[in-house]
Amino acid sequence: GENVEQHPSTLSVQEGDSAVIKCTYSDSASNYFPWYKQELGKRPQLIIDIRSNVGEKKDQRIAVTLNKTAKHFSLHITETQPEDSAVYFCAASLTSGTYKYIFGTGTRLKVLA
Amino acid sequence: SAVISQKPSRDICQRGTSLTIQCQVDSQVTMMFWYRQQPGQSLTLIATANQGSEATYESGFVIDKFPISRPNLTFSTLTVSNMSPEDSSIYLCSVDGSGANVLTFGAGSRLTVL
Repeated sequence: GENVEQHPSTLSVQEGDSAVIKCTYSDSASNYFPWYKQELGKRPQLIIDIRSNVGEKKDQRIAVTLNKTAKHFSLHITETQPEDSAVYFCAASLTSGTYKYIFGTGTRLKVLA
Repeated sequence: SAVISQKPSRDICQRGTSLTIQCQVDSQVTMMFWYRQQPGQSLTLIATANQGSEATYESGFVIDKFPISRPNLTFSTLTVSNMSPEDSSIYLCSVDGSGANVLTFGAGSRLTVL
């Protein structure tokens, strides 16, 4: 069935360094790829997304890249700050039909001050 | 984006009982989604609730265990029936309030089953 693999499961970086989280999806029909940040005890919040008609999208310190051929997409956070510490989930979805999201297993990011 | 109110925010339940979770949205939405997040795990879709029709359940989830109501375009309930400790999870309601396939989540209902 449809599957999204996410790596790494945990990631520790020094404040100011960059962090990269990678996801691979199985359904070639997927065309929408959001990233959610979930702080401890809070709801998942959308931080950035990308649709299949673009290869890269950037919003301040956060960027997402998509390689449809390889079915890979990645989250890049530059100049990390302690408040970036959270669990990050990638997801893959179709923009029509079922709206079903398949979530990755999550990455726990720790930014060390 | 849509504002979602979910209750209860948390509850402690006894084995064998049932609990109903409510989800209220501040705008009309076609589909509402119920997710489960087990401790330290990812989000798994339980079912999609459409107004005026039966909910569509994902593999591994059945209506007898997780009955869902969707009486109108702003409200839905999820019942967790005959609970066991394995049902201890966070249950989240979500909607696409933008019409662009962007999901917004409620704050979740944290259930602990003893």
